[in-house]
Amino acid sequence: EAQVTQNPRYLITVTGKKLTVTCSQNMNHEYMSWYRQDPGLGLRQIYYSMNVEVTDKGDVPEGYKVSRKEKRNFPLILESPSPNQTSLYFCASSPQPTGSNSPLHFGNGTRLTVT
Amino acid sequence: AQKITQTQPGMFVQEKEAVTLDCTYDTSDPSYGLFWYKQPSSGEMIFLIYQGSYDQQNATEGRYSLNFQKARKSANLVISASQLGDSAMYFCAMREVTTDSWGKLQFGAGTQVVVTP
Repeated sequence: EAQVTQNPRYLITVTGKKLTVTCSQNMNHEYMSWYRQDPGLGLRQIYYSMNVEVTDKGDVPEGYKVSRKEKRNFPLILESPSPNQTSLYFCASSPQPTGSNSPLHFGNGTRLTVT
Repeated sequence: AQKITQTQPGMFVQEKEAVTLDCTYDTSDPSYGLFWYKQPSSGEMIFLIYQGSYDQQNATEGRYSLNFQKARKSANLVISASQLGDSAMYFCAMREVTTDSWGKLQFGAGTQVVVTP
């Protein structure tokens, strides 16, 4: 089944403890992206990747890192999480990095709480 | 500047009735795509329908149709014959083909729909 898989679904952590949220897609998509969703703000892009070893900042990249060593994987790294990073996170992918007609396929989300 | 505007924070609709969710957008790019996503209470994002800026006809997908008015920069979603399972948050989104956005999907704030029996 074609899908984007994020893990974990739920995560509670403490301020400053490094964490990684994994994302993997099995559709051979070039484009991958991370979003965070906060009430009243909709979804905002954190980072994106056009292909392997090509990543760039989105609208809210502060406090996050990503890597794209393989086409299928795009982990999100929080080196020193803070409470303002408490949010619902989505990984997404699509086949064409610049085509306007490609919907993003989303993972099921990771609900992160930083205390 | 806000690229996607959804002016209805929430709506109630009765089962079997049709509902229209408003979406306006702002772009100077001639080539763009408009998308609607559904987010049920379980949290996942489900792609519903797509409209391209050059498409001559309004998109339809089952009970979903998109009322695309390009001159008004409007892309309203119409859900016909609402069902209880349609209760969810609905997001309008746009994807531009520019070097600034590089395929970013930009979302509106969403409209919460509650379908009542």
